[in-house]
Amino acid sequence: AQSVTQLGSHVSVSEGALVLLRCNYSSSVPPYLFWYVQYPNQGLQLLLKYTSAATLVKGINGFEAEFKKSETSFHLTKPSAHMSDAAEYFCAVSLGSGNTGKLIFGQGTTLQVKP
Amino acid sequence: EADIYQTPRYLVIGTGKKITLECSQTMGHDKMYWYQQDPGMELHLIHYSYGVNSTEKGDLSSESTVSRIRTEHFPLTLESARPSHTSQYLCASSPFSGGADEQYFGPGTRLTVT
Repeated sequence: AQSVTQLGSHVSVSEGALVLLRCNYSSSVPPYLFWYVQYPNQGLQLLLKYTSAATLVKGINGFEAEFKKSETSFHLTKPSAHMSDAAEYFCAVSLGSGNTGKLIFGQGTTLQVKP
Repeated sequence: EADIYQTPRYLVIGTGKKITLECSQTMGHDKMYWYQQDPGMELHLIHYSYGVNSTEKGDLSSESTVSRIRTEHFPLTLESARPSHTSQYLCASSPFSGGADEQYFGPGTRLTVT
């Protein structure tokens, strides 16, 4: 069975500091992995996705994530945090739409950016 | 650009009322999903559909029902709302290509049952 664990329900950084949000997955077959962002009172927006084409994936708004099979991790990073990055971030795993296409979400990490 | 709409955005309703949450997408996606999300918590899949006349229960048991009569429309109905149904409901859709198809989300409906 697939599962996702996000380490740290709340992360606080200063504006301009490195952002690191951790995600570990469990899957019996090579997974597809996603990071979504949710702003208050809004739906989820895709930041980036891993499809096995490249282990380092670049997304929108300066975010990127690296797939590490040996560590079963897909951590999200951004070199310099902006105030506008404050939001809820969700990591998700899927076996792909060739199966059911269902996404299994982690518990979410709230990112706080301090001025 | 993803175009998926949910109405109403906010709904406060009394116990025992019947409600329908609307979800429509203009992208022609075959797959559609309903998630339930409590504040500060992860999303739980409650219903999904592979196409017209296809509906399946999700991983989280729900008293709600869904229908898929048209590709673009995937409404969710609660026959008799209860305070335990208070939550945010998110609708999503995705294409069907056999690959890593991301899901596109609507803005959500925040339901409060008093």
